[in-house]
Amino acid sequence: SAVISQKPSRDICQRGTSLTIQCQVDSQVTMMFWYRQQPGQSLTLIATANQGSEATYESGFVIDKFPISRPNLTFSTLTVSNMSPEDSSIYLCSVEWSQGAGELFFGEGSRLTVL
Amino acid sequence: QQPVQSPQAVILREGEDAVINCSSSKALYSVHWYRQKHGEAPVFLMILLKGGEQKGHEKISASFNEKKQQSSLYLTASQLSYSGTYFCGTESWDTGTASKLTFGTGTRLQVTL
Repeated sequence: SAVISQKPSRDICQRGTSLTIQCQVDSQVTMMFWYRQQPGQSLTLIATANQGSEATYESGFVIDKFPISRPNLTFSTLTVSNMSPEDSSIYLCSVEWSQGAGELFFGEGSRLTVL
Repeated sequence: QQPVQSPQAVILREGEDAVINCSSSKALYSVHWYRQKHGEAPVFLMILLKGGEQKGHEKISASFNEKKQQSSLYLTASQLSYSGTYFCGTESWDTGTASKLTFGTGTRLQVTL
């Protein structure tokens, strides 16, 4: 299995600021994803973080708002830019475990509150 | 479109059984099941890859009906530790080569004494 460290675990941010979330995996993985989960809701895929190239964004998410970096096979960052209260949510990093049946492992999540 | 799960919530007494359904409007390649406890990350339970496949994991099993684009999760003799929110995650044939999941609406399950 993969162990995923995410930080920060939580933060309170001011409107208009940006915050970068880091995701570190204890082994090399090909597929990394970023999800958003609003309290009491399901998970929504933001983007697939591609190593060495631009991330692939889902409908409704754009690079200017959620820039993603993936410098190597064990690390990725997600930035939430120019935050508004609507961005208050839990952001989860996940990886596909290629040595299994394709299951996802998730980080513990980063809970952001925007005031 | 997000897969729809039913029921939305269920309360069980310890030892009782439950079935959670996941229905998609798309042709499915695979179905995953995850459980998320409050304040924690989702945890993988099982994946079903073939139409009609059934898999088991302790007292939790699942089926996948590819024709009906549906999957069901069966929890038997429920334990307190089964409490949490269950999500199905589906891979559709139209998502290309990159494997990515669309998560269902979720089912909140509470097991009581």
